[in-house]
Amino acid sequence: ELKVEQNPLFLSMQEGKNYTIYCNYSTTSDRLYWYRQDPGKSLESLFVLLSNGAVKQEGRLMASLDTKARLSTLHITAAVHDLSATYFCAVDMVDTGNQFYFGTGTSLTVIP
Amino acid sequence: NAGVMQNPRHLVRRRGQEARLRCSPMKGHSHVYWYRQLPEEGLKFMVYLQKENIIDESGMPKERFSAEFPKEGPSILRIQQVVRGDSAAYFCASSPRSAVGEQFFGPGTRLTVL
Repeated sequence: ELKVEQNPLFLSMQEGKNYTIYCNYSTTSDRLYWYRQDPGKSLESLFVLLSNGAVKQEGRLMASLDTKARLSTLHITAAVHDLSATYFCAVDMVDTGNQFYFGTGTSLTVIP
Repeated sequence: NAGVMQNPRHLVRRRGQEARLRCSPMKGHSHVYWYRQLPEEGLKFMVYLQKENIIDESGMPKERFSAEFPKEGPSILRIQQVVRGDSAAYFCASSPRSAVGEQFFGPGTRLTVL
């Protein structure tokens, strides 16, 4: 079974600082997704990475994918309080029926 | 353009009752996925359906759980004889096609079993 691990699980950072969340997965896949979830809410799509070397940026968030290393990163630049949420990465594999395998999540708290 | 809709948003059941969760995919989407999220955990896949077909139910518990996506109407996840361990958030997602592409998630149904 495909396993997806994120680290750190919990992240507390000050406003204005930079940090990176890591997502490792155990089996070859060319597609990785990042979602944001606020408490009690649904998942909001952030990035869709569909090939090796893909890099996407939106505001203070930038995501990248290295399929050879089976690693994706979500980089946060100059964090602000509004970024406080739980971030999930997810991987899918066509051969397994297109289900998404989700990481454990990273709970981010940005402190003023 | 409405997104994925789920109802009810909150559902309280006593042990032994049935829970019925509904999901209407985005317009033009014919693929529906159900996931379960336990507190402080990520989402776990349950079942993948197309209209009138169950494509993959490898994540569904063998007993008490069933899902359908009829030709007309929403997809339904049914849990019979609920137990406390069924308490969780159940999310539905839809996609326009099965291969390559993100899934769009509904607001979820939070089931509490007393």
